[in-house]
Parts: sequence; C-alpha cells; structure tokens
Amino acid sequence: EAGVTQFPSHSVIEKGQTVTLRCDPISGHDNLYWYRRVMGKEIKFLLHFVKESKQDESGMPNNRFLAERTGGTYSTLKVQPAELEDSGVYFCASSPTGYGGADTQYFGPGTRLTVL
Amino acid sequence: AQKVTQAQTEISVVEKEDVTLDCVYETRDTTYYLFWYKQPPSGELVFLIRRNSFDEQNEISGRYSWNFQKSTSSFNFTITASQVVDSAVYFCALNVYNTDKLIFGTGTRLQVFP
Repeated sequence: EAGVTQFPSHSVIEKGQTVTLRCDPISGHDNLYWYRRVMGKEIKFLLHFVKESKQDESGMPNNRFLAERTGGTYSTLKVQPAELEDSGVYFCASSPTGYGGADTQYFGPGTRLTVL
Repeated sequence: AQKVTQAQTEISVVEKEDVTLDCVYETRDTTYYLFWYKQPPSGELVFLIRRNSFDEQNEISGRYSWNFQKSTSSFNFTITASQVVDSAVYFCALNVYNTDKLIFGTGTRLQVFP
C-alpha cells in the first residue's frame, strides 16, 4: 500500500511569488492534515480536512494560505504571495477516521519550501 | 493549554550504548493520546507508537521501549544497544481526545556513531 506522497519535495521561490504544494493521502483515508515545521521549532498543525470539508483550520497563519481538497482525494496548499517567514517543511498526514487520537496519523516526506 | 517539551535538543552516543529520549507533556484533559515519531535523514515522519492515557503499561518492541508515567506527565523513549540506523530526529506528540491535531515537541536529534 502506498504511503502519503507529497510534491514537490523541495521548492525555492522568490518573495512575492506563488507556490502550490500537493499531498496525496493513503487511499481510503478520509482525513487529511497539513502541518509545518519552521527551522528548529516544533511541527505545528495548520488544518484538517474530513473528505472535502475543512474540519479545523485554526492553525492557518493568515489569508495568504489557501488549502483545498476537491473530491476528497488529494489536497493542495497554495501560498500567495509567499513571504520569507513561510520557509519551512510542510508535512501532510492522513488517517482513516480521525476520531480524536483514536487514529494514527501517517505522514508524508514533506515539502521543503525556501522563500528567498 | 496543551504542550509537549523535549528538553534534549541533540544527543550523541556510540553504537551499542543505551539512550533515553525524554518527553514531558501538559494537558488538563483526562483522555489523551501520546505518540512518538522518527524522522530519518530521508525526511518522512515514521510512526513508532501510540499510547492512550488509561494505559500506563510500559511497552517494549525489540530494542525500543517506552515508559509512560502519568504522575510525572512523562512518556520517555529508550533505545537499547543503539545502532547507526537509529540516527534520526525523534518527535514526541500529544493528541487530546475529540480534537484531531497533534501537538509536537521540538524534537531530539539522535546521532549514533560507529
């Protein structure tokens, strides 16, 4: 069974540009999560989808970030326009049912975003 | 508020040494879950273990063992007879029941030298 995949693995962009990250969850997992780790700090929750609906987006930093999950399959996270502080590693995770910890979240390899 | 503290930023050991990674958590909830993930150089977060707050039994899996103590709010991870392949960043995480977000510590980088 394929794990969570993320694309691209690494992206380098200039400040002010737009970047779109993609996450493909494990097949059959209704729950999809985005997290971010800024250099040396903890991994922080961004948002949670249940199928195509946003269940919790309390961790999204600001309105420059837009996440979508059309059709309840893969998800995209767009940053527009990117700022220097957006640099970090963006992780995606998925779980089958997502009932408050009863499920394990399985993570992808992350996308390393560098904003110059 | 919930919080996870991994006070050890980096640990270096020589192969075959035992090493313990500390994790202290904070929550006022009585139902919660604790996790450990491993991040090898390849970058992905690999799930190692999940414990719920009602199960304080220690767990052993091969060279890995976990000590969960509610009295000290700790969930420590011990690697026995460490190997070079254990070199990675290890994250401890907390999930409170009825929320779906994981709250991570800052991670501990373990380097095992031959």
